[in-house]
Amino acid sequence: KQEVTQIPAALSVPEGENLVLNCSFTDSAIYNLQWFRQDPGKGLTSLLLIQSSQREQTSGRLNASLDKSSGRSTLYIAASQPGDSATYLCAVNQAGTALIFGKGTTLSVSS
Amino acid sequence: EPEVTQTPSHQVTQMGQEVILRCVPISNHLYFYWYRQILGQKVEFLVSFYNNEISEKSEIFDDQFSVERPDGSNFTLKIRSTKLEDSAMYFCASRGQGYVSQPQHFGDGTRLSIL
Repeated sequence: KQEVTQIPAALSVPEGENLVLNCSFTDSAIYNLQWFRQDPGKGLTSLLLIQSSQREQTSGRLNASLDKSSGRSTLYIAASQPGDSATYLCAVNQAGTALIFGKGTTLSVSS
Repeated sequence: EPEVTQTPSHQVTQMGQEVILRCVPISNHLYFYWYRQILGQKVEFLVSFYNNEISEKSEIFDDQFSVERPDGSNFTLKIRSTKLEDSAMYFCASRGQGYVSQPQHFGDGTRLSIL
């Protein structure tokens, strides 16, 4: 059964710092991996999707990488801002339907 | 940008009552999903729906749950006889179809509180 783990559970950084969020999964037979942002009491905003054949995807200050063989993905946030404060969720798609989520990393960026 | 909309944003219901959660997926999307998130826990998959039928469901999605696409725009989740443990945030998601798999887009959720 696929398990998704995100480390750390919480992270506090000063504004301007570059940071890396980690996601690991136990079964490397995935279809794709998606990173989301969740603000308190809100829905999930899709940030990046990486296909199983890809190594990375970039959107603005965000860069997500995927190493399928080792069961790992990272989300790199450059030059962090207070507005980046949120919970970041990683989810894997194994068979084209259900997403399996990690518990998330709660990021706090102080000004 | 097109978005998934869910109503109501908050629903309070007495235990044992039926509840219907509503979703309007993005208009040209063909795959629809329901997920739930109990407070402080992971987002969990409930059910996926394609071509007017359930394509996959989790162990959580028992006989008390049902989904329906009553018209060309709405997608609903019904819980027949609610239990205290059904209290959670319920998210609807939709996905388009393409050669390369498309991301799932989520609504803002319905907070369901069972008393």
